[in-house]
Amino acid sequence: AQSVTQLGSHVSVSEGALVLLRCNYSSSVPPYLFWYVQYPNQGLQLLLKYTSAATLVKGINGFEAEFKKSETSFHLTKPSAHMSDAAEYFCAVIGGNYGGSQGNLIFGKGTKLSVKP
Amino acid sequence: EAGVTQFPSHSVIEKGQTVTLRCDPISGHDNLYWYRRVMGKEIKFLLHFVKESKQDESGMPNNRFLAERTGGTYSTLKVQPAELEDSGVYFCASGVTDTQYFGPGTRLTVL
Repeated sequence: AQSVTQLGSHVSVSEGALVLLRCNYSSSVPPYLFWYVQYPNQGLQLLLKYTSAATLVKGINGFEAEFKKSETSFHLTKPSAHMSDAAEYFCAVIGGNYGGSQGNLIFGKGTKLSVKP
Repeated sequence: EAGVTQFPSHSVIEKGQTVTLRCDPISGHDNLYWYRRVMGKEIKFLLHFVKESKQDESGMPNNRFLAERTGGTYSTLKVQPAELEDSGVYFCASGVTDTQYFGPGTRLTVL
């Protein structure tokens, strides 16, 4: 069965510093992996996705993630944090009984990112 | 293009009452999903519609929850009777391929 583990429920960085949010997955099939972001009082917004094409995936707002099969990881990075990046970030994998690319998402517990001025 | 919309944004009810949540997916999206996040926990899958049919309802917690999708368009999720542990944020998402687009959620509080 597929699963996702996000290391660190809270991460704090200074403005301008590197952002690194960790995600490890478990999947018996080639995974479809996603990062979503939730800003305060808003819904989930797709940041980026990996669907077995390029291993380095670029997303919105300067974020990117690298799929590493050998490490079963899909960590999210951004070279320079902005105050506006403060939000909760979720890593997710498609899993569930239906399978394929349209099954339900299995989410990690989320990581809250704080950005200090 | 309009996104996924959910109504109401907030609902406060008493234990034992009934609540109905509504989700309007992006036009043309056959797949519609319901998820829930209970405070302090991860977002959990409830069920998946393909058009008007329930593809997967393995995440529905019990028979107090009833989901419908009329004519393959909007969907409703009814909780009857509501219990304290049903409090949380209910998200709806829609999609056509491998990407799901989420609505803003409905925050349900059961007192």
